[in-house]
Amino acid sequence: QKEVEQNSGPLSVPEGAIASLNCTYSDRGSQSFFWYRQYSGKSPELIMSIYSNGDKEDGRFTAQLNKASQYVSLLIRDSQPSDSATYLCAVNPTGGYNKLIFGAGTRLAVHP
Amino acid sequence: EAQVTQNPRYLITVTGKKLTVTCSQNMNHEYMSWYRQDPGLGLRQIYYSMNVEVTDKGDVPEGYKVSRKEKRNFPLILESPSPNQTSLYFCASSLGAVEKLFFGSGTQLSVL
Repeated sequence: QKEVEQNSGPLSVPEGAIASLNCTYSDRGSQSFFWYRQYSGKSPELIMSIYSNGDKEDGRFTAQLNKASQYVSLLIRDSQPSDSATYLCAVNPTGGYNKLIFGAGTRLAVHP
Repeated sequence: EAQVTQNPRYLITVTGKKLTVTCSQNMNHEYMSWYRQDPGLGLRQIYYSMNVEVTDKGDVPEGYKVSRKEKRNFPLILESPSPNQTSLYFCASSLGAVEKLFFGSGTQLSVL
C-alpha cells in the first residue's frame, strides 16, 4: 500500500466549477499536511498547509483534513484555466520530522 | 530574489560517467533535500541535510552521494550513473524539514 495515495486523473472540470482533489494516507500518526501545485515543466510550489482537523481557507482554496479517516482534500472554487496543473499531496509521517512523503499527484484540467 | 538554483537544467550522459548536479540557495535555509520525480511515483526523497556536515538518507539513496560543506550548497553526485537513474531531479530548501519547501527548477537527467 502506498503511503500517500491520490487519483492520478485527469480531473476535468468546467471553468467556474469547484474542483475537488483528494488524498489518503496510511500513517495514522501523521501531523502535517501540504498541497503543492506543479505546472507542466515547472517545479512544485506550496499552496496550502493544514495541521488540525477541519477546514482551512485561503482565497479560492480550501484544505480539509479528517485525521480519523486519514483523508485530506483540496477544494478549488471558481476554477480557472490557470488552475490546470498537477496537485501534489504531501504528508509528514510519524517520527519523520525530517521528511515529507509525496503522493504521485492529481492532474487537474479546467476547460473554458 | 530568494531562490534555489540548480544546474544543469538538462543533462545527457552515458552509463558509468560520474556527474554532479549543483544546488545553491540564497535564503540561509538550514534544511536542504534532493528528490527525484518519476511518472506515477511522485517525488521521492534521495538525501537530505539538516545543516552543514549533517546529511542523511531519504527513501531512495542507492547510487547517490551528497555533501554539505557550506550552508548554501548541496550538490548531488552520481559516481557511476545507470539508466534507472534517468529521472527529473529537484533540489529543495526550507527553514525546517516540514516548513514550506522552495524548489529549484529541476534537472532532467538521461543516462544512456
